[in-house]
Amino acid sequence: GQSLEQPSEVTAVEGAIVQINCTYQTSGFYGLSWYQQHDGGAPTFLSYNALDGLEETGRFSSFLSRSDSYGYLLLQELQMKDSASYFCAVRESGNNNDMRFGAGTRLTVKP
Amino acid sequence: DTAVSQTPKYLVTQMGNDKSIKCEQNLGHDTMYWYKQDSKKFLKIMFSYNNKELIINETVPNRFSPKSPDKAHLNLHINSLELGDSAVYFCASSQFETQYFGPGTRLLVL
Repeated sequence: GQSLEQPSEVTAVEGAIVQINCTYQTSGFYGLSWYQQHDGGAPTFLSYNALDGLEETGRFSSFLSRSDSYGYLLLQELQMKDSASYFCAVRESGNNNDMRFGAGTRLTVKP
Repeated sequence: DTAVSQTPKYLVTQMGNDKSIKCEQNLGHDTMYWYKQDSKKFLKIMFSYNNKELIINETVPNRFSPKSPDKAHLNLHINSLELGDSAVYFCASSQFETQYFGPGTRLLVL
């Protein structure tokens, strides 16, 4: 079947580094995306990986290993405002390019 | 300027009613989507339209019908509302890999 697995909750302190993992099982694969959603807000795009390796954008980085069907989002120098839900999403080839989202990881940053 | 807008932001209605949610994007994107996010935050795609043609139709009840008068608009009409329809509905648009979401419509069915 098709699925995405990510932890439901992660807690960390300000200034720390946190890694949110995502494993996926799909019939075809284009790439892995990450979205951030604050409470009461809309999901906003963070990153996209189509090729293996690490993509860095400021304090956030995203990694993909296609052979392992695995990726992660790395958040460095955590700030209180990073408390939010983080969703991984895959675009599947051969299925009308459907975008499927994981269940989300709730990140809580504590002082 | 708002990229993707939805109206209304909040919608409270009785079971059995029919309601519509409107969505507009000014990004010039070819594809628009409707997502449903339930109380557990699970985000599920309902429909997508590409150049006014439906290209995805997930297993949603036929009480839900998308309507696209033009490339910039994708409205969602819901007939005979049920309690289980209570959720947040997000419209989104995309050109390539990035999806741009609207602010959401919080639907509560009583």
